Amino acid sequence: QKEVEQDPGPLSVPEGAIVSLNCTYSNSAFQYFMWYRQYSRKGPELLMYTYSSGNKEDGRFTAQVDKSSKYISLFIRDSQPSDSATYLCAMNGGGSYIPTFGRGTSLIVHP
Amino acid sequence: KAGVTQTPRYLIKTRGQQVTLSCSPISGHRSVSWYQQTPGQGLQFLFEYFSETQRNKGNFPGRFSGRQFSNSRSEMNVSTLELGDSALYLCASSLVGTGHYEQYFGPGTRLTVT
Repeated sequence: QKEVEQDPGPLSVPEGAIVSLNCTYSNSAFQYFMWYRQYSRKGPELLMYTYSSGNKEDGRFTAQVDKSSKYISLFIRDSQPSDSATYLCAMNGGGSYIPTFGRGTSLIVHP
Repeated sequence: KAGVTQTPRYLIKTRGQQVTLSCSPISGHRSVSWYQQTPGQGLQFLFEYFSETQRNKGNFPGRFSGRQFSNSRSEMNVSTLELGDSALYLCASSLVGTGHYEQYFGPGTRLTVT
């Protein structure tokens, strides 16, 4: 079992939909959680980061962490075609500075 | 504040050659990590440098090496290139040590080995 699991998709939704992207993990030492967006042939861009459990909102994006279930989510409200990208989750903790990344979920928002 | 910069952006090399990639981190960031990204394997960690010392290393052969300079700029070198080394090489910097562990990535260097 991989340390971080993420469905590769693709996830295809109509413009304006609410998107839910998820990752599960196995290492209970993880405390710091990040979401990155990566457009084709570009470097990943940090979208959100959260510490420990709870929610964090930034504009149309909401990051949610449930440490008891070892499950994190990224919600995108009012999705736009420009949101079409690959979304990677990453997490670290337990004394390690190096994040462990999921494989990424490909999101397609069609007009 | 300027982001992470990487040079060159694109490279085409022949099998057996060597290559050096460069990364300039965000000002004030002392940790620089390198990753290899391929469609089949995703993001794979190569190594991390902090204050000119390699602090963490991934599972890559010795042909992959790196270094960090006193101004935190970093280089990675790949010797005896193989076709399988074709990938996007990403550099990420981090403000480690102050409770911040998030990494900021550069645009990457796309290496093609023929």
